[in-house]
Amino acid sequence: AQSVAQPEDQVNVAEGNPLTVKCTYSVSGNPYLFWYVQYPNRGLQFLLKYITGDNLVKGSYGFEAEFNKSQTSFHLKKPSALVSDSALYFCAVRASGNRDDKIIFGKGTRLHILP
Amino acid sequence: ETGVTQTPRHLVMGMTNKKSLKCEQHLGHNAMYWYKQSAKKPLELMFVYNFKEQTENNSVPSRFSPECPNSSHLFLHLHTLQPEDSALYLCASSPITGLAGYLTGELFFGEGSRLTVL
Repeated sequence: AQSVAQPEDQVNVAEGNPLTVKCTYSVSGNPYLFWYVQYPNRGLQFLLKYITGDNLVKGSYGFEAEFNKSQTSFHLKKPSALVSDSALYFCAVRASGNRDDKIIFGKGTRLHILP
Repeated sequence: ETGVTQTPRHLVMGMTNKKSLKCEQHLGHNAMYWYKQSAKKPLELMFVYNFKEQTENNSVPSRFSPECPNSSHLFLHLHTLQPEDSALYLCASSPITGLAGYLTGELFFGEGSRLTVL
C-alpha cells in the first residue's frame, strides 16, 4: 500500500532564512510526487510535481523539491522564506502505471515564517 | 481562482437534516473527487468519479451519497450526519491523460465547504 509521511506538524523559520519541509513516501513502482499549499479558508493549490527526469523540481512561488530515491524522500525547499509563505503544506504521492491507484496525501505541515 | 467552485462555503445542519454540497468545474476535466479534511489528519479520499462513473468509494458511510450527473458537476448529499462528520469537504478535478486513462496530472481543488453538524 502506498503512503506518505510528513514527520513535522509545524516548522518555524525566520524570514529570509532557507526553509525545508520534509516528506517521505512508500509506494510500489515509480512514484508521482506532489506538493500542495493551503492558505487559510482556501482549498489546496498545486505547487510542483515530480514525474521523471531531474531530481530537483522547481515550482511556483520560488519553491523547489528534491526527489531522493534511495531515501524515498521528496523534501520541499526554498532558499529565502517570506512571511507570505506561512501556510499549510501537503505532500502527496501516487504510484505510476496503475490506473486504479489514487493520490494519497500526508497530514500536512504548518509553516510559520517569523518576521 | 482554480476553476473549481464549491457551494455553499459554509453549512450548519442538525443531525436529522438533509442537505447537499455542490461542486462545479469548467476545466474540461473528466475526473472529480470528494475529500474530507479534518484537523491534524491526512486528507481522506471519499469518492472518485472518472467519466461520470464512480471508481472509488473509500469505505464511506452511507449517510454520504455522491452524485455525478455529468463531467462538470459533482454533488455530495448529506443525510442524518453525526457531529464527527463536521469538517471541510473539498472537491477536486483532474485531467485524465494517456492511452490508458491514467491520472497523471495534478488536482485542482475548490475552496471547500465548511460543514458543522450540531
